Amino acid sequence: SSELTQDPAVSVALGQTVTITCQGDSLRSYYANWFQQRPGQAPVLVMFAKNNRPSGIPDRFSGSSSGNTASLTVTGAQAEDEADYYCNSRDSSGDHVVFGGGTKLSVL
Amino acid sequence: EVQLVESGGALVQPGGSLRLSCAASGFTFRSHWMHWVRQAPGKGLVWVARINSDGTTTKYADSVQGRFTVSRDNAKNTLYLQMTSLRSEDTAVYYCTRDSMTTVPTDYWGQGTLVSVSS
Repeated sequence: SSELTQDPAVSVALGQTVTITCQGDSLRSYYANWFQQRPGQAPVLVMFAKNNRPSGIPDRFSGSSSGNTASLTVTGAQAEDEADYYCNSRDSSGDHVVFGGGTKLSVL
Repeated sequence: EVQLVESGGALVQPGGSLRLSCAASGFTFRSHWMHWVRQAPGKGLVWVARINSDGTTTKYADSVQGRFTVSRDNAKNTLYLQMTSLRSEDTAVYYCTRDSMTTVPTDYWGQGTLVSVSS
């Protein structure tokens, strides 16, 4: 079982705002990172260290965190944002890596 | 440009062995920890193993401890995963990932290589 908890699925109307959350004890010590995975493709980092976007990631993606919960928000969701989203962090020992179970985002 | 290219995936019988490779380029390989992550068909991402920069320290998920061995050749910029005593539940796409050495343990990913364990 995942040591980070995510809702299995969320949906959003085209152009609206959606937030995906990730909970776990490791997030009290380490930042959550967020990955987008489209079908048949490798995961891509979309957010790191609370609210930092890698080059090339649209600014409609933003991140936040508080306590043991991290969030990824998509403001003005587009059809191409439909994908699976995973969070991860180092575990509490710093030796391993933990992933959330993933959230399937549907853009309606 | 950071590139990670995995190879070695195959169909193997239960109890068999396989070695995966990951060729790295576009960054100073010897300066980064590296990880293997896998994804079973239709399932989520699961961390498998990591190795430190000079290969002296390795860590494993409980599910593969004692069966899998991660190693690296910094002269060849290549990461390896030796898998033995393979089980059907090891069937997955295996991804090689780079540790940013700051906040992100898996900032760059390869395209993955498929390992199928079946008789």
